[in-house]
Amino acid sequence: DAKTTQPPSMDCAEGRAANLPCNHSTISGNEYVYWYRQIHSQGPQYIIHGLKNNETNEMASLIITEDRKSSTLILPHATLRDTAVYYCIVRVGFRDDKIIFGKGTRLHILP
Amino acid sequence: DVKVTQSSRYLVKRTGEKVFLECVQDMDHENMFWYRQDPGLGLRLIYFSYDVKMKEKGDIPEGYSVSREKKERFSLILESASTNQTSMYLCASSPSTGGYVQPQHFGDGTRLSIL
Repeated sequence: DAKTTQPPSMDCAEGRAANLPCNHSTISGNEYVYWYRQIHSQGPQYIIHGLKNNETNEMASLIITEDRKSSTLILPHATLRDTAVYYCIVRVGFRDDKIIFGKGTRLHILP
Repeated sequence: DVKVTQSSRYLVKRTGEKVFLECVQDMDHENMFWYRQDPGLGLRLIYFSYDVKMKEKGDIPEGYSVSREKKERFSLILESASTNQTSMYLCASSPSTGGYVQPQHFGDGTRLSIL
């Protein structure tokens, strides 16, 4: 799996959009970008994934650059409950195999 | 919503004990996984299973075994617990879709302390 680079921490004001960047410059053509988050004392939670098109679900939006070397996770209206460590990973495989988390971004939502 | 339930949130056991960690998922997923998560080491795969009675070793299987007698249940067994197995244990599941990677859904974890 290709490696990803994320800022170690970010702050965002409550109610504003949180934009979390991720670099994955060595991503292969058949690798997907996945985002998970982990709230303190809980298991990781799947957020969203995409291949090359932008994706949106009830939790977030995922913007992938045209060259696929970076992406941004957008939480449109951040709340205090969004305080967590956010992990960006890239994965490929016909079978669902192991997930490897990097250090992630610790997002602090400020009241 | 997918529900992955781990039997205990916190568990304290003694060195040498045989320890069972249970995981149940309610979405008829084929794939199930056991990870441990330690500060500075991230998530490490212990064992996984693609089907009932099937199991495959992950990156750190030593000292562990697993059992999958029913599709919804995947058990992790510490044969003789040691202090270096003190950790957060996470169970996950995902469906098989034949050629398309699916997200894994995690339980809330079991924080195991071996004294």
